[in-house]
Amino acid sequence: GNSVTQMEGPVTLSEEAFLTINCTYTATGYPSLFWYVQYPGEGLQLLLKATKADDKGSNKGFEATYRKETTSFHLEKGSVQVSDSAVYFCALSTNSNSGYALNFGKGTSLLVTP
Amino acid sequence: DAGVTQSPTHLIKTRGQQVTLRCSPKSGHDTVSWYQQALGQGPQFIFQYYEEEERQRGNFPDRFSGHQFPNYSSELNVNALLLGDSALYLCASSLVNTEAFFGQGTRLTVV
Repeated sequence: GNSVTQMEGPVTLSEEAFLTINCTYTATGYPSLFWYVQYPGEGLQLLLKATKADDKGSNKGFEATYRKETTSFHLEKGSVQVSDSAVYFCALSTNSNSGYALNFGKGTSLLVTP
Repeated sequence: DAGVTQSPTHLIKTRGQQVTLRCSPKSGHDTVSWYQQALGQGPQFIFQYYEEEERQRGNFPDRFSGHQFPNYSSELNVNALLLGDSALYLCASSLVNTEAFFGQGTRLTVV
């Protein structure tokens, strides 16, 4: 079946540090891959996505590249800010005709300190 | 443009009771999906509605049921509540082949 594995948190970084959150997946077919962010007390917001191998999704300084050979979609940001503190979820969908029913990882909590 | 709205925001129920959660999709969206997010976990897909029919279902028992109305709004019903049903219930709306937009969720506590 389909599954997503994320690195365990919490991740604590100082402001302006480099961020990597690892994500690997198992899927049948050709999944689309997503990163969602959840700020405290809020719902999920789509951060970025990639729909085919070698695509790079980017938004708000965050990037992730769809690596089919390593079944990975690691999230990176060159310089984190305190406002980036949140929980980050990697997700996949394999059925594009269904409006993206999503399989999520367990989430990685990020805390950025001044 | 209002996004996805869910009601109520918080709810406390007793074991064995039934609960109904409501969702209004983002304007123009015709597909509604429901997810259960237990504390400290990622969201788990419950089911998806399109054209007033359940189109996909995740690994949830029949105690979980839903409905979609002609205006695309949706309800999630859970019967015979268990303590383990305590979670944040998220509604997401989309068009076919587009990304999902999530509401802020309903926090259900079963005591």
